Amino acid sequence: DAGVIQSPRHEVTEMGQEVTLRCKPISGHDYLFWYRQTMMRGLELLIYFNNNVPIDDSGMPEDRFSAKMPNASFSTLKIQPSEPRDSAVYFCASRTTAGNTEAFFGQGTRLTVV
Amino acid sequence: GENVEQHPSTLSVQEGDSAVIKCTYSDSASNYFPWYKQELGKRPQLIIDIRSNVGEKKDQRIAVTLNKTAKHFSLHITETQPEDSAVYFCAAVSSAGGADGLTFGKGTHLIIQP
Repeated sequence: DAGVIQSPRHEVTEMGQEVTLRCKPISGHDYLFWYRQTMMRGLELLIYFNNNVPIDDSGMPEDRFSAKMPNASFSTLKIQPSEPRDSAVYFCASRTTAGNTEAFFGQGTRLTVV
Repeated sequence: GENVEQHPSTLSVQEGDSAVIKCTYSDSASNYFPWYKQELGKRPQLIIDIRSNVGEKKDQRIAVTLNKTAKHFSLHITETQPEDSAVYFCAAVSSAGGADGLTFGKGTHLIIQP
């Protein structure tokens, strides 16, 4: 398995534009997490899914943020409209329910909103 | 939901000395406590974990202790080396409600002075 795959690796966009971040979890993992990392706030949990169902989205900062998981192998995090304060590294991670086990992170997407 | 506090935010130690990072958590139902290391520009990766039925776990130079009564756990690194310089995150997983969230502390920037 290639691990958790995120795309794009880097995204630069203008304020007001829509941004879509993508994640492919490890095959067989039934949990998928979206995190945002900044110097000020560390690793913030935005939302997580279990078996493609959103479980907790209390970390989603505003209505401008939305996430979907249409199937077990794909998830998106969308920001519309984007703002400069959304600039951060966004990580996707996945893990399996079988016992309490390690969560594996993707390489992250570095988003810059100008 | 779960709240994880981590201290200190920055820790500078002389090479060869020990480093200790401490975390507290709020949800008494949490039962799995992983520690992640993140090197500059890279993704977080698991270095050690502990489950709630264990008080201490050791892996070479790193060890983790857990006090469930007090709801705190700590990471200990002995004989620190330059390659230990990184940001370390503690986390807690709660199975309350049947779904396992993964909440991180804000991280500790460990600096090993030569």
